[in-house]
Amino acid sequence: AQTVTQSQPEMSVQEAETVTLSCTYDTSESNYYLFWYKQPPSRQMILVIRQEAYKQQNATENRFSVNFQKAAKSFSLKISDSQLGDTAMYFCAFAYTGTASKLTFGTGTRLQVTL
Amino acid sequence: NAGVMQNPRHLVRRRGQEARLRCSPMKGHSHVYWYRQLPEEGLKFMVYLQKENIIDESGMPKERFSAEFPKEGPSILRIQQVVRGDSAAYFCASSPITGVQNIQYFGAGTRLSVL
Repeated sequence: AQTVTQSQPEMSVQEAETVTLSCTYDTSESNYYLFWYKQPPSRQMILVIRQEAYKQQNATENRFSVNFQKAAKSFSLKISDSQLGDTAMYFCAFAYTGTASKLTFGTGTRLQVTL
Repeated sequence: NAGVMQNPRHLVRRRGQEARLRCSPMKGHSHVYWYRQLPEEGLKFMVYLQKENIIDESGMPKERFSAEFPKEGPSILRIQQVVRGDSAAYFCASSPITGVQNIQYFGAGTRLSVL
């Protein structure tokens, strides 16, 4: 079974700075999806970014980008130009490919953006 | 296109009562997933349903919990004879039949409190 590990329970960054959140995972499969979800105080789960394992190019979405290292089974999230609205819990998640499959989440990193 | 709708947002039950949580997927989505989030933890998969079928219930407790997704109407997660340990946030997610697979869109969750 796959596992997802987020080793940073809490992080803090100043507004306009850059921060990187770490995620590692374990699987024996070669093709899968990886995700970062954001959960602000409202508790709504919001998809931030998605990476397909067979694609070597790192995914980017505006200020959010990933560093996907397949051999190392590492999937970190970089947030550039941090904004106060980025304050939230961030969850890394894994899913096998297929028509639809369940997400396996890490335990999350609480990010605080300060002035 | 309305998002995934969950109701109620908050549900309070006394020990021994029944809890019924409802989820209406996004229009055109026929896959529904239920996840549970205990305080200060990540989301844990419970069950995956398609219309009128349970596809994967590997995360469901063996007793007191059941789920359905009828041909008409919302998906229902039912918890019988609730106990204090059932207090958690329950999230529903949906994904489409076709198009980009494995992107799950989440509702805002139902927070269940058992007194």
